[in-house]
Parts: sequence; structure tokens; C-alpha cells
Amino acid sequence: GAVVSQHPSRVICKSGTSVKIECRSLDFQATTMFWYRQFPKQSLMLMATSNEGSKATYEQGVEKDKFLINHASLTLSTLTVTSAHPEDSSFYICSASIAGGQETQYFGPGTRLLVL
Amino acid sequence: AQTVTQSQPEMSVQEAETVTLSCTYDTSESNYYLFWYKQPPSRQMILVIRQEAYKQQNATENRFSVNFQKAAKSFSLKISDSQLGDTAMYFCAFKVPGTASKLTFGTGTRLQVTL
Repeated sequence: GAVVSQHPSRVICKSGTSVKIECRSLDFQATTMFWYRQFPKQSLMLMATSNEGSKATYEQGVEKDKFLINHASLTLSTLTVTSAHPEDSSFYICSASIAGGQETQYFGPGTRLLVL
Repeated sequence: AQTVTQSQPEMSVQEAETVTLSCTYDTSESNYYLFWYKQPPSRQMILVIRQEAYKQQNATENRFSVNFQKAAKSFSLKISDSQLGDTAMYFCAFKVPGTASKLTFGTGTRLQVTL
């Protein structure tokens, strides 16, 4: 149980285009999902907290208009990188907590984004 | 604000041996949760073990156990009978109660298990 999926696992795009990454909780409902960014050999950096049915809460320094987050259902959150540039190339990971349940966050397998 | 410190950037252990990874944290909260996550080369984050601060008993999961010292704000992970598959990055993390509360991660310890 507690499986989180992400799609796509890898994406290459041209500079200036937008890319959407999906995060799904497959066997549980998640009122809250989290989006992280991870650079090589570094820890995870929280970008935003995604709340079902309401606006996401962004961490300081993360551009809201650059990284659009939508949490339209209890099993799906999306992160859209708008007008992507090479500096947005990174590994993006989502996690989810079981609604009304445990404190543990379960992580998706991550999405590797390369912007050319 | 909470902080989590992992002072060992890299460690190495021989197969079948025991290794301990260190983690300290700083918080003014009295109730919280601590976690160890493993990130193998696949980069999938995997929960290794968790500890509730209000529980005095140290958590164990098969070959993995923790030494939780609340007064010292220390939360070390002991891996017994190390296996090659334990080679990974290990992150210590802290959170306060609430499914919407965020995890605060340490910088990680890269563990290499050798033959």
C-alpha cells in the first residue's frame, strides 16, 4: 500500500516550452501533496505544499507563476513548469500523506527534467 | 524553525558489518516525528524507519534500528548485517504532527557497502 506514482519519469523539452508533471496516489487519498526539487548529490528542497481544492503554499524564493501547482482531486496533483529554461533542469519529486491518517510521507519515483 | 544535521557526508561499511549513521536536530517542539529515508541510485525515496517523539522505546525494522535520545536531540540509525543493497543516500528528517506539515531534511549521508 501507499504507492505514489509520477508521470513522466523523464522529459526533455526546448527552452520556452511548458512541462506538466503528474503525481498520483494510487491506493490512498491525499489531501496534501508536496513537491520537491533535488539537485545532484544534494538533499531535497521543498518547493510547495499542494492542498486539495485550494491554492498551493509556496516556499520562500519559489516563483508561483513559474511553477504552477494544481491539486484538483484527492489522488492527483500536477506541477507545471512554465516557460522552462535550462536552469529549471532538475529532478522533481512529489510526496503525499494519507488523509486523516499516518504522519509518514510517501514519495513518488521522481521526474527528471532536462531543458535544452 | 527546525534544523536537521547529518555530520557524516560519506561512510563505508563492509558487507555483514554494522554501521551507525548520525543525525541531530534542533527544535522547540515537544511532540514530533523523526524519519530515516533511503535513496538508492534509482533515486526513489524509501522510508526506512520512523520514530514518534513521545515514545521512549527505540523503533526497529528488521536490520534497522534507531537510537533516539530526546534530551540530546539525537536520532542515529544503526544498520546491522549490512547488505550490498543498503548502498544508498540516507536522509534524516523531522516533522511536527499534521498531515499537511512539511518534512525538514538533513543533507544526507552517502553509504557505500563493500565486499
